[in-house]
Amino acid sequence: DAGVIQSPRHEVTEMGQEVTLRCKPISGHDYLFWYRQTMMRGLELLIYFNNNVPIDDSGMPEDRFSAKMPNASFSTLKIQPSEPRDSAVYFCASSLARAGGPYEQYFGPGTRLTVT
Amino acid sequence: KNQVEQSPQSLIILEGKNCTLQCNYTVSPFSNLRWYKQDTGRGPVSLTIMTFSENTKSNGRYTATLDADTKQSSLHITASQLSDSASYICVVPRGNTDKLIFGTGTRLQVFP
Repeated sequence: DAGVIQSPRHEVTEMGQEVTLRCKPISGHDYLFWYRQTMMRGLELLIYFNNNVPIDDSGMPEDRFSAKMPNASFSTLKIQPSEPRDSAVYFCASSLARAGGPYEQYFGPGTRLTVT
Repeated sequence: KNQVEQSPQSLIILEGKNCTLQCNYTVSPFSNLRWYKQDTGRGPVSLTIMTFSENTKSNGRYTATLDADTKQSSLHITASQLSDSASYICVVPRGNTDKLIFGTGTRLQVFP
């Protein structure tokens, strides 16, 4: 399996522009997570889905952030309008629930977003 | 407050030496604890997952310990290699949820 795929790997945009980050989870996984990593705050969960349904979006910082999962193999994280403080690395992760124990989350390579 | 704290913040060792990284957590209720390795420019990769009933778990040269009573965990790296240079992150899920709480990590540098 190719693992979790994210695109683009790097994104540089100007303040006020719309940014869309994309994620393809590992085939067959039923959970998908979006994280943000900064030097100051480390890794933070933004939102996660189970079977394409958003379960918890309490980590989404503002209404400027939105995420969708139209099908089991694709998710997007959109920032509109973007601000310099949104600059961070955004990771997507997926996992497969199994009975009887915790299940691993597999992370993608991340998208490094720079908003100028 | 649910928190995960790690020490040291950074560590430099020579190739071939052993080292131990520490993690203290206050997350409750507790279900499991994870250690991740994150290479520069890459996503985190799971090293171990330990439930409250497990005291020790090994993955090659990595050995994690867990003391659920004192809410402490350690990650011991034996005979370090240059490829061990990375950030090591301790992670605890919030209760029985899928919401992971991440420590700030220990940045390990291994020099020849």
